[in-house]
Amino acid sequence: DAGITQSPRHKVTETGTPVTLRCHQTENHRYMYWYRQDPGHGLRLIHYSYGVKDTDKGEVSDGYSVSRSKTEDFLLTLESATSSQTSVYFCAIKSDRGPDTQYFGPGTRLTVL
Amino acid sequence: GIQVEQSPPDLILQEGANSTLRCNFSDSVNNLQWFHQNPWGQLINLFYIPSGTKQNGRLSATTVATERYSLLYISSSQTTDSGVYFCAVEPVDGSEKLVFGKGMKLTVNP
Repeated sequence: DAGITQSPRHKVTETGTPVTLRCHQTENHRYMYWYRQDPGHGLRLIHYSYGVKDTDKGEVSDGYSVSRSKTEDFLLTLESATSSQTSVYFCAIKSDRGPDTQYFGPGTRLTVL
Repeated sequence: GIQVEQSPPDLILQEGANSTLRCNFSDSVNNLQWFHQNPWGQLINLFYIPSGTKQNGRLSATTVATERYSLLYISSSQTTDSGVYFCAVEPVDGSEKLVFGKGMKLTVNP
């Protein structure tokens, strides 16, 4: 599992509140990713990072921001949560060792009421 | 951007049957991976296979990059094979990002 943890694993919040999801890795891989998974859409990339303080947008970045101040942590923030952001959020790393394989964390189920 | 299509979208099998999952992609790729999402939601990497053939136990995968498709074979299926299978590709645009297909739901009945 490449030592990836996500917190919290479940969260229920109300529309308009800020939410931060955390992804933590223990193996110092350079690339980290945030995806959301929704029925009928597969996984869609929100943001990714290719190093400390180096981030870029993915396919569905509107309404989300990210930060990476340490190699091991990648934070996803919903500044003002909306019901359309109810989803399962996955963090992933791309291995720096061997083939460019992505490994996923366990996911965070977020419900915005 | 690159399009990734998986077929069939759903498949129901009896335990012991074999199956083939197909992934078509619309442009050249640097990277192709197959993932299995189990019923508890965990995504497991099955194969990194931008070209050629690989086997791991009852599972094998083949990618024909020149014809822009990949196949995942499951032989002697077991109930634990149930879940959703995703194909994901990284285009040759240098983006270092995977684009996922919508997935294929497999149900293996005892």
